[in-house]
Amino acid sequence: TQLLEQSPQFLSIQEGENLTVYCNSSSVFSSLQWYRQEPGEGPVLLVTVVTGGEVKKLKRLTFQFGDARKDSSLHITAAQPGDTGLYLCAGEGDNDMRFGAGTRLTVKP
Amino acid sequence: DSGVTQTPKHLITATGQRVTLRCSPRSGDLSVYWYQQSLDQGLQFLIQYYNGEERAKGNILERFSAQQFPDLHSELNLSSLELGDSALYFCASSPGTSGSDEQFFGPGTRLTVL
Repeated sequence: TQLLEQSPQFLSIQEGENLTVYCNSSSVFSSLQWYRQEPGEGPVLLVTVVTGGEVKKLKRLTFQFGDARKDSSLHITAAQPGDTGLYLCAGEGDNDMRFGAGTRLTVKP
Repeated sequence: DSGVTQTPKHLITATGQRVTLRCSPRSGDLSVYWYQQSLDQGLQFLIQYYNGEERAKGNILERFSAQQFPDLHSELNLSSLELGDSALYFCASSPGTSGSDEQFFGPGTRLTVL
């Protein structure tokens, strides 16, 4: 079973702060995705990383895929209240997509 | 709006009952995925269909079944419902079968079993 562990589970910060959330596994994934989910809605894809060591930037969000393709991180610079939501990582396994339990981020104005 | 529709939005039923959740994928998408999301277990992959055929199976209980029809819409059938089946059920679709394809999620069906 390829489990994805996300940390921290909850994170509450003030507007303007920086933060990093993590997605770790003991298994190798051929690709890994980050999704953001807002209350009452389905997850929405933010990024897909495929190559070990890959770094992708999406405005204030920076995503990194570990060299061994077992872990990933999401760094948000100068967080804003609009960043509030549940951040999920998902890895492509042998026959399915595995999701982590998510990091619930709250950014206070 | 992801282009994926799910009905009903809310469903309240009793233990032991059977319900059917429906999903229409985005136009042109051939893959449909079903997920269960509960507070204590996050998003759990249940099953995937591609162009009418079962493609991958996750943590789907034997009491649950699904199918994808020729028009590509899909239904998830939940039977002998238990209190623990109360959760949000999401359907997602993607163009193909690659795990790196973006999955487009519907708004979900909230199932409450009393």
